Amino acid sequence: QVQLQEAGPGLVKASETLSLTCTVSGHLVASGYYWTWIRQSPGKGLEWIGSKYYIGTSHYSPSLKGRVTISKNTSKNLFSLTLKSVTAADTALYFCAARVTVTNDIWFDSWGQGILVTVSS
Amino acid sequence: SYDLTQPPSLSVAPGQTATISCGGANLGTKGVHWYRQKAQAPELVIHDDTERPSGTPERFSGSKSGNTATLTIRRVEDGDEADYYCQVWDRNSNHIIFGGGTKLTVL
Repeated sequence: QVQLQEAGPGLVKASETLSLTCTVSGHLVASGYYWTWIRQSPGKGLEWIGSKYYIGTSHYSPSLKGRVTISKNTSKNLFSLTLKSVTAADTALYFCAARVTVTNDIWFDSWGQGILVTVSS
Repeated sequence: SYDLTQPPSLSVAPGQTATISCGGANLGTKGVHWYRQKAQAPELVIHDDTERPSGTPERFSGSKSGNTATLTIRRVEDGDEADYYCQVWDRNSNHIIFGGGTKLTVL
């Protein structure tokens, strides 16, 4: 069974960089299908941030493109989120999620518990 | 950008049937997936329009007709009270899109 666990600072200052990691157990990051970050602003719905595809390509939400990077660390079996120049609008509960088996479509059957990140002024 | 439309809220009495819709352009060409969010992390309940992962009760079913997908929950229980989200993968852009979510209240 695949388990995901987010880690990182719960408080980030405005204009600085938010960095989170998602440690994976039960499957190798090197061979998984689709590794993803999703966030949820307080009282709002789910928002896709971006994903790392198994072939190495990355795809990002148009609203965040230019500020976001998702990368994999196969030696530590984790994947990471970096979001630059944060503002109060980036305050959210951040989830990592994954689909580890190759399928014809993309959906997420493994989720981390989420980590709350607050951007302070 | 591609949008998925869900009703913001739905109230159903225990034992009745809840139907949550998800609408989008050309939805017939995309697989629709459904999540339930009760506490913190969402949980997949239906994938590929109609498929139930192991662990999803048989009371949950998915369907799709034209540009509307539907999650149906039969014999609703108090424990079904949650937020429900639909999701698709747009193959053209390689983007993931979520609907706005539907808050299901069990009366």
